[in-house]
Amino acid sequence: RKEVEQDPGPFNVPEGATVAFNCTYSNSASQSFFWYRQDCRKEPKLLMSVYSSGNEDGRFTAQLNRASQYISLLIRDSKLSDSATYLCVVNMEQAGTALIFGKGTTLSVSS
Amino acid sequence: DTEVTQTPKHLVMGMTNKKSLKCEQHMGHRAMYWYKQKAKKPPELMFVYSYEKLSINESVPSRFSPECPNSSLLNLHLHALQPEDSALYLCASSQDRGISGANVLTFGAGSRLTVL
Repeated sequence: RKEVEQDPGPFNVPEGATVAFNCTYSNSASQSFFWYRQDCRKEPKLLMSVYSSGNEDGRFTAQLNRASQYISLLIRDSKLSDSATYLCVVNMEQAGTALIFGKGTTLSVSS
Repeated sequence: DTEVTQTPKHLVMGMTNKKSLKCEQHMGHRAMYWYKQKAKKPPELMFVYSYEKLSINESVPSRFSPECPNSSLLNLHLHALQPEDSALYLCASSQDRGISGANVLTFGAGSRLTVL
């Protein structure tokens, strides 16, 4: 199975809010996990890799729960510029494929 | 500026035409990918090349034909496409495949294809 499932969007939040996205994956052998950001009519760009111990980059925190096969992304103090689609990406090499994208969660931050 | 360059940015073609999409990277990456993205959908994997050899074909119809002439170039040849093939075609590369830390994708800006 090559499934990556994400929270359905859209998320509409005011500036300064904290918002969290979850993503589940089907292949328990997956080893690499990422969050990408995609702006309207642009290519996806890497936001952050997700490590087993969890990792933080400024206002963004990513966590991995291998036992439950999910990853999360927490955005604190949301900015207008955070408005985008956030894509969960999982390496499904062990399932005979490559990097598979979730459907994406759309975030809209308003003033 | 993106380090993966795709041409053309826009392409309109008829169902009987033959055209090609091109992708180039000079980062020394050994894995290159084609993804297809329809509006409001995620990128969908089509092909993966690893060390210039086709390693994954996600059951893509034969009207799409990939080619990797060398480690920096990836082409997608198009022939007898259907209107439903209209989409954004994204090329990506990564340092390697399957190795944690080396498989971060860098995308090109995409080629927006319209089939009439």
